Amino acid sequence: GAVVSQHPSWVICKSGTSVKIECRSLDFQATTMFWYRQFPKQSLMLMATSNEGSKATYEQGVEKDKFLINHASLTLSTLTVTSAHPEDSSFYICSARALLAFSSYNEQFFGPGTRLTVL
Amino acid sequence: RKEVEQDPGPFNVPEGATVAFNCTYSNSASQSFFWYRQDCRKEPKLLMSVYSSGNEDGRFTAQLNRASQYISLLIRDSKLSDSATYLCVVNGGDTGGFKTIFGAGTRLFVKA
Repeated sequence: GAVVSQHPSWVICKSGTSVKIECRSLDFQATTMFWYRQFPKQSLMLMATSNEGSKATYEQGVEKDKFLINHASLTLSTLTVTSAHPEDSSFYICSARALLAFSSYNEQFFGPGTRLTVL
Repeated sequence: RKEVEQDPGPFNVPEGATVAFNCTYSNSASQSFFWYRQDCRKEPKLLMSVYSSGNEDGRFTAQLNRASQYISLLIRDSKLSDSATYLCVVNGGDTGGFKTIFGAGTRLFVKA
């Protein structure tokens, strides 16, 4: 199946710093990538949809100036949490949509997630 | 009302039991449906797609009832390794865009 990687897998930072998370599709091209956030014992919440070469579409309540998304190529999207605060501590997961022979239509392939802890 | 609702769980079952998860969705224009499995502190992984005709994969059977906007997952002969959170996922909508909605998940514990 398709593989999506994320880096870093975990990060601890001080309040006020910025953190960049990378999401890569390793063996396929992803025109669309998604960024999710998951708090403990809660469901995944879509933050934004990222299309290669265009601006990301943010979900209601997600600050675009705080969560900067760049989808520079068909295999890479980045999420930068700017001026992170303790309430931003969460599990951030990216996914990529692929139209591949072996995948169901609209199937998403998830990265392993990045656990962010802001002190 | 949530867009996708699932049994709150958790389900505690012995090995070998049959367990059924239910899910309802509110948007009648939804287009595709999935069950994902998520292990603790891991990313979700696709378990199976759900079709109107129903589909089966080994011990797992998924059903979709569009009229009732209801999705189910049946696990037969539960194994210890089935312990996880099962997420009902619904795609699409009447906006014409692609939107994925995750249910809150139902936690399953299979015990020896």
